[in-house]
Amino acid sequence: GAVVSQHPSRVICKSGTSVKIECRSLDFQATTMFWYRQFPKKSLMLMATSNEGSKATYEQGVEKDKFLINHASLTLSTLTVTSAHPEDSSFYICSTGGPRNQPQHFGDGTRLSIL
Amino acid sequence: AQTVTQSQPEMSVQEAETVTLSCTYDTSESDYYLFWYKQPPSRQMILVIRQEAYKQQNATENRFSVNFQKAAKSFSLKISDSQLGDAAMYFCAYRRGTTSGTYKYIFGTGTRLKVLA
Repeated sequence: GAVVSQHPSRVICKSGTSVKIECRSLDFQATTMFWYRQFPKKSLMLMATSNEGSKATYEQGVEKDKFLINHASLTLSTLTVTSAHPEDSSFYICSTGGPRNQPQHFGDGTRLSIL
Repeated sequence: AQTVTQSQPEMSVQEAETVTLSCTYDTSESDYYLFWYKQPPSRQMILVIRQEAYKQQNATENRFSVNFQKAAKSFSLKISDSQLGDAAMYFCAYRRGTTSGTYKYIFGTGTRLKVLA
């Protein structure tokens, strides 16, 4: 069964709207989660590392105020795209962190379309 | 900094045949982990196989096997008896440690595999 649940799977909204994406770990406590962005036919680009109970660590070039990450519990991390614009349209995927000998478990992704 | 290179943007294989996808990486670390992920059109990321760098034996999972050449920093994926369901984007990933202790993936650019009936 799924280890990570990501919701919603698809969002279509107007420009200027803020959109929240949830990522839940189902069977275990995830102190770390990763958020990725994927453009069509491209690889996954790490946006930020979400840490339970502390601030997220953002990759270079990712706007912290644009992509708000909250990891308030051991099972839930959220990514909020604030004041979304068409250029924010993309596929966003979360995954679990954990020991490096363990593979990351990915959510099914969220397709975000901003009109 | 570590990098992962997949030099084949697209590959094709006839059903039931064997295909090899290449992946090279660059690192100064001696202890790391390598993974192959499959991303079908549904865009789910599915783990195919993983390899611990300290293990000399190549990992195998049913029809999937790797050829891990640590000195050459090469990590190719071999798919035997290819099936239509193998058609997908394949990503090679390197997992490293960071100063914060979180272990991020570094992904290659992917290889799109087409399986011909």
